[in-house]
Amino acid sequence: EDKVVQSPLSLVVHEGDTVTLNCSYEVTNFRSLLWYKQEKKAPTFLFMLTSSGIEKKSGRLSSILDKKELFSILNITATQTGDSAVYLCAGTNFGNEKLTFGTGTRLTIIP
Amino acid sequence: NAGVTQTPKFRVLKTGQSMTLLCAQDMNHEYMYWYRQDPGMGLRLIHYSVGEGTTAKGEVPDGYNVSRLKKQNFLLGLESAAPSQTSVYFCASNQRVNTGELFFGEGSRLTVL
Repeated sequence: EDKVVQSPLSLVVHEGDTVTLNCSYEVTNFRSLLWYKQEKKAPTFLFMLTSSGIEKKSGRLSSILDKKELFSILNITATQTGDSAVYLCAGTNFGNEKLTFGTGTRLTIIP
Repeated sequence: NAGVTQTPKFRVLKTGQSMTLLCAQDMNHEYMYWYRQDPGMGLRLIHYSVGEGTTAKGEVPDGYNVSRLKKQNFLLGLESAAPSQTSVYFCASNQRVNTGELFFGEGSRLTVL
């Protein structure tokens, strides 16, 4: 059974700090890893990673995948209160049209 | 500009009652999914569909049924609701898994008393 594990479960930091969120996976016939941000309602897409070592970047957020060690990290620099959310990662595999989600990391930014 | 729309957004049921959640997408996506989200459990896949007329079981299918009679609609049914089905339900769709991005509806909060 495919499994995705995120750590930490929750994190509280002050505005301006840098945070690193972790996602490890055990996915048979792995295809890609995705990151989502969930505020009050529906998750919104952040990144899709398919290749090891290639950083994806969007503003203050960046993410990288290590397919040898089976993990990904999501970095947020110069955090703002608007970054407060649950961050979800999910794995996909070839031949199976579904995503396996982790339990999420709840990030709280204190002004 | 609707995207993925779920109805109803909130519902309270008594144990044993039945109900249907409707998901509609206007993006002509092939794939549609129903997830439930519980505290500390993340998103768990209930059922999914890879095209009109097809359905498949996810991780937690027991107690639920689905139908995809039209490409744009994916219905989730509870025949006899149980308190363990109290949850927030999310519908999602995408064109193909390898495009990565799932488009989510805003969720339906179901409480079973």
